[in-house]
Amino acid sequence: GENVEQHPSTLSVQEGDSAVIKCTYSDSASNYFPWYKQELGKRPQLIIDIRSNVGEKKDQRIAVTLNKTAKHFSLHITETQPEDSAVYFCAAASGGSYIPTFGRGTSLIVHP
Amino acid sequence: NAGVTQTPKFQVLKTGQSMTLQCAQDMNHNSMYWYRQDPGMGLRLIYYSASEGTTDKGEVPNGYNVSRLNKREFSLRLESAAPSQTSVYFCASARGEGNTIYFGEGSWLTVV
Repeated sequence: GENVEQHPSTLSVQEGDSAVIKCTYSDSASNYFPWYKQELGKRPQLIIDIRSNVGEKKDQRIAVTLNKTAKHFSLHITETQPEDSAVYFCAAASGGSYIPTFGRGTSLIVHP
Repeated sequence: NAGVTQTPKFQVLKTGQSMTLQCAQDMNHNSMYWYRQDPGMGLRLIYYSASEGTTDKGEVPNGYNVSRLNKREFSLRLESAAPSQTSVYFCASARGEGNTIYFGEGSWLTVV
């Protein structure tokens, strides 16, 4: 089955810096890669996703890149703000699967 | 549009007691899921239902049962609660295979 590794487990940055979270996956059939943000005590919520026919996708300060050859994808947050502090989860799923595999999460701390 | 609604939000059980977590979605989604979240362990799949009338085990099904009551509702039952089942439980739904998963607000369960 699919295996998703996520790094780092904790990331501490100063406000205004960029943050990068990386994930690798094992199943070459995976073609859908969502990212979720979970604030303390809240539910995970989708912030951006990418499908395997696209190499990069941006939404304001957030971008996701995908390298299918190397089987890794990354979340980039620019100009970080304290409200970006949360746990971020990556996931991978194949088109024929009902079950995305989640990474273990990255706790992002943005210091004012 | 409520999305995914789960009840109760908080519950304390004694070891050996039983209880059912209720979940309903109003997005006309085909697939529904139950996850548990423990510190440092990410989101672990307990059971899922790819479509109405089907249920399948996930990564950590022991000690749990599920019922897909209809297309909207998917319940999780603990027949004899154990302290190891103390966790945050998330119900989720998706349109189908390879689609975005939407989470409920979570149920905090403590077994003493």
